[in-house]
Amino acid sequence: AQKITQTQPGMFVQEKEAVTLDCTYDTSDQSYGLFWYKQPSSGEMIFLIYQGSYDEQNATEGRYSLNFQKARKSANLVISASQLGDSAMYFCAMSSYSGSARQLTFGSGTQLTVLP
Amino acid sequence: DVKVTQSSRYLVKRTGEKVFLECVQDMDHENMFWYRQDPGLGLRLIYFSYDVKMKEKGDIPEGYSVSREKKERFSLILESASTNQTSMYLCASSISQGEAFFGQGTRLTVV
Repeated sequence: AQKITQTQPGMFVQEKEAVTLDCTYDTSDQSYGLFWYKQPSSGEMIFLIYQGSYDEQNATEGRYSLNFQKARKSANLVISASQLGDSAMYFCAMSSYSGSARQLTFGSGTQLTVLP
Repeated sequence: DVKVTQSSRYLVKRTGEKVFLECVQDMDHENMFWYRQDPGLGLRLIYFSYDVKMKEKGDIPEGYSVSREKKERFSLILESASTNQTSMYLCASSISQGEAFFGQGTRLTVV
């Protein structure tokens, strides 16, 4: 079974500093994808970044980067130069096969608060 | 822009009622998902579908069923609503290995 673990229910960071949100995963598949989503208080789910299991380089999207360590099964999100608008819930997710279908499994989330 | 539309933003239903939550996507995605979101538990997968009339159970299918008669529409059915099904329900769609696109969510209250 696929499982995503986010061990930080809440995190605080000072504006303009960098922050790392932890994510570990468990799967027996060789081919899978890892995602990070942001959910502000408005409730919408915003896609941030994607990493494929065969990608050798860590994914980056603007201020977001994914620190992918395959052997440790971790996919941490790094946000550089935090902004007040980064305050939100952040979810890690994994896409992998379950039978003949591709399942998308989420973690429990990390509530990030950026302090002025 | 991909659009995933859920039929209701807020719903209040009585215990024992049959409840239908509808989700429509306009990008011809083969995969569709239903989640419920509860504080501290994240998004838990209820059911997902990879083709018309095909469905797979997620992590918490008990008390729910789904229907996918057309590719663009994925319905979640609560056969007999109970108070412990009060939650936020999120629908999503995706292509095979791509990112998922979410609807705006339906906040269901069962009284």
